[in-house]
Amino acid sequence: NAGVTQTPKFQVLKTGQSMTLQCAQDMNHEYMSWYRQDPGMGLRLIHYSVGAGITDQGEVPNGYNVSRSTTEDFPLRLLSAAPSQTSVYFCASRYRGVKGTEAFFGQGTRLTVV
Amino acid sequence: DQQVKQNSPSLSVQEGRISILNCDYTNSMFDYFLWYKKYPAEGPTFLISISSIKDKNEDGRFTVFLNKSAKHLSLHIVPSQPGDSAVYFCAASTGANSKLTFGKGITLSVRP
Repeated sequence: NAGVTQTPKFQVLKTGQSMTLQCAQDMNHEYMSWYRQDPGMGLRLIHYSVGAGITDQGEVPNGYNVSRSTTEDFPLRLLSAAPSQTSVYFCASRYRGVKGTEAFFGQGTRLTVV
Repeated sequence: DQQVKQNSPSLSVQEGRISILNCDYTNSMFDYFLWYKKYPAEGPTFLISISSIKDKNEDGRFTVFLNKSAKHLSLHIVPSQPGDSAVYFCAASTGANSKLTFGKGITLSVRP
C-alpha cells in the first residue's frame, strides 16, 4: 500500500516554463487536494477535488490548473512558472463524507523557479 | 484573514516535561480540529483530532483540549521526547466534505 505518491521530489524550472506535478493515491479516497508550504505561511490550499470530474479552487489558485479524470490521480499544472511559485508542494487525500477523517500527505515536491 | 492561528512560532522544552502547543480559531463554523506533525523533508502526518462536541481527546502521550467558548485548542505532549521535535500544524474543517484550513505551524524542540 503506497499511500500518496508525488513525483518528482525535486524540480528546478526557468521562469515561464510549464510543468506538471504528479500525485497518485491507492486508497480509493474521493477527496484530494494540493497545498503549498512556504516559510512562515503554513500550508495553503491551492486546489481540491471531491471526486473524479469535480475540482474547485482553494485560497491560492492563481497560476495553477488541476484536473481529476480518475479517482487515483490529481495532477497539478503550472502554466507559466514564476519565482513566486518557488515552494514545497504537498498532495493530500482522504475519504469524503466522514467527519474529521485525517488527510494523508505525500512526501512533497520541492520546486525552485529561477 | 487567517482563520486558524498558531501565534507562537517555536517552543523549546526539556525532555520528560510537558509540551503545550496552542491554536486559536476565528470561524465558529469549524466543527472538527486536527493536529499534524511534520519532520523536515517529509509530508505532514496525522497526530490526533477532536470533534467540536467534545472538550478532550487523548491518545497515549498526546491530548488535545478544546475550549469552544474561547475558540482555542491546545495539544499536550507528556512526557516530551526528543523524537517529538518537529513542526506541528493545527487544522480545522467545517463539515464532512470541507477542506482543511491550516495554521502556520509551530516548531517544537525537545532538549535531551
